[in-house]
Amino acid sequence: ETGVTQSPTHLIKTRGQQVTLRCSSQSGHNTVSWYQQALGQGPQFIFQYYREEENGRGNFPPRFSGLQFPNYSSELNVNALELDDSALYLCASRGSQEETQYFGPGTRLLVL
Amino acid sequence: QQQVKQSPQSLIVQKGGISIINCAYENTAFDYFPWYQQFPGKGPALLIAIRPDVSEKKEGRFTISFNKSAKQFSLHIMDSQPGDSATYYCAASMRSGYSTLTFGKGTMLLVSP
Repeated sequence: ETGVTQSPTHLIKTRGQQVTLRCSSQSGHNTVSWYQQALGQGPQFIFQYYREEENGRGNFPPRFSGLQFPNYSSELNVNALELDDSALYLCASRGSQEETQYFGPGTRLLVL
Repeated sequence: QQQVKQSPQSLIVQKGGISIINCAYENTAFDYFPWYQQFPGKGPALLIAIRPDVSEKKEGRFTISFNKSAKQFSLHIMDSQPGDSATYYCAASMRSGYSTLTFGKGTMLLVSP
């Protein structure tokens, strides 16, 4: 088990709603990345936060946004939910000088 | 554009056999190549990783072979066990920039008893 935790574990929302997912990084890790994993696919990079600033973003629209807090925990916010947003959302943390990313168990989001 | 291509999509191996999963990448700026193992309902867990300055890395039953000129790398699982049944993902990243991971589409491995 990594030291990365995510909440909630499961979530059901309806189209058009907004959702906030949370992640606590492993102790000592100041870099947090979020990934979306659709069913049967590999994880896709959404964005990365380093010391409370977004410093990288994948091919996701602006309705996907995030925050990182001084304790390096992080939130992923998705507005105007669409059916295709149904996926496993993974948080990964690492130290700033490390390459290895440690993943949390994910939050399973279902949009109806 | 898929930057990391993984094959096969699924694999069935008998207990004690060798499982082989292959990946190919396009971006020559990639310089870190990890393999992740994922069980249903869990997040991916790092299995083994390699950098392009070596051609092979072994950890227990798991070996990565790396061919820089062909831009290919593979995972070999020796003496495969039923507990190895999981989905395996190859990935690649660059030490410069964000160091974010680009994943393959995954290989579902089933080791039959």
